[in-house]
Amino acid sequence: DADVTQTPRNRITKTGKRIMLECSQTKGHDRMYWYRQDPGLGLRLIYYSFDVKDINKGEISDGYSVSRQAQAKFSLSLESAIPNQTALYFCATSDPGTGSDNEQFFGPGTRLTVL
Amino acid sequence: GEDVEQSLFLSVREGDSSVINCTYTDSSSTYLYWYKQEPGAGLQLLTYIFSNMDMKQDQRLTVLLNKKDKHLSLRIADTQTGDSAIYFCAESLSGTYKYIFGTGTRLKVLA
Repeated sequence: DADVTQTPRNRITKTGKRIMLECSQTKGHDRMYWYRQDPGLGLRLIYYSFDVKDINKGEISDGYSVSRQAQAKFSLSLESAIPNQTALYFCATSDPGTGSDNEQFFGPGTRLTVL
Repeated sequence: GEDVEQSLFLSVREGDSSVINCTYTDSSSTYLYWYKQEPGAGLQLLTYIFSNMDMKQDQRLTVLLNKKDKHLSLRIADTQTGDSAIYFCAESLSGTYKYIFGTGTRLKVLA
């Protein structure tokens, strides 16, 4: 079984709808992240969480919110989706105690299309 | 500010060597990474180098780091069609959680 899973894998929605993307991990890591990937822009950080009570904004948090329901679960919500939020969304985890200090482990991604 | 840049595309013939380049601006990085993204999948760590090293070799992969020029490269020897993917460099900034990704280089290997 995959260590970091994301649901759904694909989603098409309409402008103005509320959408939730979910991420679960079995790695036991405290740190979790949400990124979006756009062609030619690489990955940009939306939100990150160092533990259940510690949630922080990343570089592009406007229009998004998150919830860390448990160590293993970190959800990303789009309160009112707009077309420029069409992107590939990745969840990642890390444990600062491991080998390369901050290697990140990624989920398979959620492709979101907002019409 | 922090910025990590890569060329967007690279095309090589099977069996040749590939060299993917990356430049970064923040000199406080602790580790520099290369991640591989295959179609329809998330990113997977290929290799990393600590900032006080100049070179790291791992089978077909060679990472070179020039701290003076803030330049990182990944050389893939004997490139195979299975190496076709997007390659991201990333830096981890000293003392922070922060991880800055490059724009990604799409490597296409021609048979």
